[in-house]
Amino acid sequence: NAGVTQTPKFQVLKTGQSMTLQCAQDMNHNSMYWYRQDPGMGLRLIYYSASEGTTDKGEVPNGYNVSRLNKREFSLRLESAAPSQTSVYFCASSEGGTSYGYTFGSGTRLTVV
Amino acid sequence: AQSVSQHNHHVILSEAASLELGCNYSYGGTVNLFWYVQYPGQHLQLLLKYFSGDPLVKGIKGFEAEFIKSKFSFNLRKPSVQWSDTAEYFCAVISRTGRRALTFGSGTRLQVQP
Repeated sequence: NAGVTQTPKFQVLKTGQSMTLQCAQDMNHNSMYWYRQDPGMGLRLIYYSASEGTTDKGEVPNGYNVSRLNKREFSLRLESAAPSQTSVYFCASSEGGTSYGYTFGSGTRLTVV
Repeated sequence: AQSVSQHNHHVILSEAASLELGCNYSYGGTVNLFWYVQYPGQHLQLLLKYFSGDPLVKGIKGFEAEFIKSKFSFNLRKPSVQWSDTAEYFCAVISRTGRRALTFGSGTRLQVQP
């Protein structure tokens, strides 16, 4: 099915470990996004990529890095995981601009112990 | 910076009751507005969106929302809720000239009792 695919779905990390969350979309969308969802705080933007070759910081970028590998793929890296990064991470994509809704992936539930 | 406030954090209704969820945004410029729904264990799905024109917009599953510019509000409504509407609802805003990414509210958890 067309859409946004995120891997892995679940992950447990120890403090200080690193990992990369993968995201791929097959809708030929221009823009891609990474959000984290925490109880009572809604979704907060970590990084986004308005188009292939560009990335920009969102509201909560500290502790994260991103790579827009190509038009399809947008990865999120935690270099040294901290318990505060325990969250559900959602990747999304859109055609770009401000008039289009987002298509979300199914999320990655990350626990840092 | 733009922000979105959803004042109702948790709403409990009986089936067939009417629903109105509040959403207020803070931004000096022109924005586009969205409502998303997240059913238990699932990802977010678009309910409806407003860009311009008729301030009353209709979305999927019988939902509608009204944009009131003077109040910076975009409230979600449904005349008669069903048990299947149990979910979390997020209001979101995007500036037409600023950061090209949605800013979400904190969400409202709706529980519909049979």
